[in-house]
Amino acid sequence: AIQLTQSPSSLSASVGDRVTITCRASQVISNYLAWYQHKPGKGPKLLIYYVSSLESGVPSRFSGSGSGTDFTLTISSLQPEDFATYYCQLFNNDAYTFGQGTKLESK
Amino acid sequence: EVQMVESGGGLVKPGGSLRLSCAASGFSFRGAWMSWVRQAPGKGLEWVARIRSKIDGETTDYGAPVKGRFSISRDDSKDKLYLQMNSLKTEDTAVYYCATEGLASQNNWGQGTLVTVSA
Repeated sequence: AIQLTQSPSSLSASVGDRVTITCRASQVISNYLAWYQHKPGKGPKLLIYYVSSLESGVPSRFSGSGSGTDFTLTISSLQPEDFATYYCQLFNNDAYTFGQGTKLESK
Repeated sequence: EVQMVESGGGLVKPGGSLRLSCAASGFSFRGAWMSWVRQAPGKGLEWVARIRSKIDGETTDYGAPVKGRFSISRDDSKDKLYLQMNSLKTEDTAVYYCATEGLASQNNWGQGTLVTVSA
């Protein structure tokens, strides 16, 4: 089975910072790569699908890119509400796989 | 407004059974593909199961850890999604979320219901 490895596992940043989270697949994958934001006590929120398509209503400071085995989520200018855990997700062979998550904390 | 409300969680002994429900509103449930996703305490997200719409065959897919023990189903007349969980193990302890399927992703989520499997 294809595995997704996110880096870093945790990250400290300040409001206004540019933040990049990486998701690496154990083999070349299709473009069925999504990113989610998850806050405690709430359901996850879809940010990006198909590697780089921004979900409706998601601020444009969020962007996704990549191909092959390496993918990134970038937050161009961190806002206070962006502190959360972020997950990448792959859809392959009628099943979904998540990365282990990246916890973004306030410095 | 799209809304999903999960229910049916609770404490159950290992080997026991539990049925979760998800009440959907604000969208055409009968045309939607639906998934269950879980998060164990202190762990990441794990996809559990998916069901297609009736018009797409109402077929199902499962994650490896639950295949053969869990069953996803739907009642379009009630706008409800279900997850029947049998032969529960301690490692099934988690918050369970229902979600609508988008484009190779889950685009609307409920708040979750906690299932605790413990003796």
